Amino acid sequence: GQQLNQSPQSMFIQEGEDVSMNCTSSSIFNTWLWYKQDPGEGPVLLIALYKAGELTSNGRLTAQFGITRKDSFLNISASIPSDVGIYFCAGDRINTGTASKLTFGTGTRLQVTL
Amino acid sequence: SQTIHQWPATLVQPVGSPLSLECTVEGTSNPNLYWYRQAAGRGLQLLFYSVGIGQISSEVPQNLSASRPQDRQFILSSKKLLLSDSGFYLCAWKRDREIGEQYFGPGTRLTVT
Repeated sequence: GQQLNQSPQSMFIQEGEDVSMNCTSSSIFNTWLWYKQDPGEGPVLLIALYKAGELTSNGRLTAQFGITRKDSFLNISASIPSDVGIYFCAGDRINTGTASKLTFGTGTRLQVTL
Repeated sequence: SQTIHQWPATLVQPVGSPLSLECTVEGTSNPNLYWYRQAAGRGLQLLFYSVGIGQISSEVPQNLSASRPQDRQFILSSKKLLLSDSGFYLCAWKRDREIGEQYFGPGTRLTVT
């Protein structure tokens, strides 16, 4: 099935640095979600976006729903060691809530050095 | 609050043996339920989803099947496992009639030997 394109695939950053990653698609989505997955665990929902142009924050995390509805961005400010993990974007084309299915990105692996 | 459980947490099974993975959700009614598989270092592949008891939609033809015998119980099965069935299996739920947000369980690590 289709997957969303995430970049970068992986990144090494130093503690305290800001991080940016994005997710693009050739199709329009009505909802964008960002998840974080730690090794051996299920993904945890970080931020949900429902409207084109929407900018939403959750602590040090900020995500934006692209105005074209074909992309989304996630920024992490002042990274800390516990930010290590794989970040997935996900999009939902359905806007009625019935039988909606998410399309997931390929993931961005983040590693933080002290 | 809502909680999602999966068991077992890890499983090692020989090729050709049967499989049964269970997922249960607490604290909500009539959730939409999903089974995903994740290969090592890869993204999530949707296998099955269900919008109600006995209602199963399959996304990928394979030797796996799913059932929903109760409102908050979702089961993934196989009659004969293949080596390629190894992976990390994740169950997720979503509030009925709401868009987007899916919440994942802790996962089951399956190794077929």
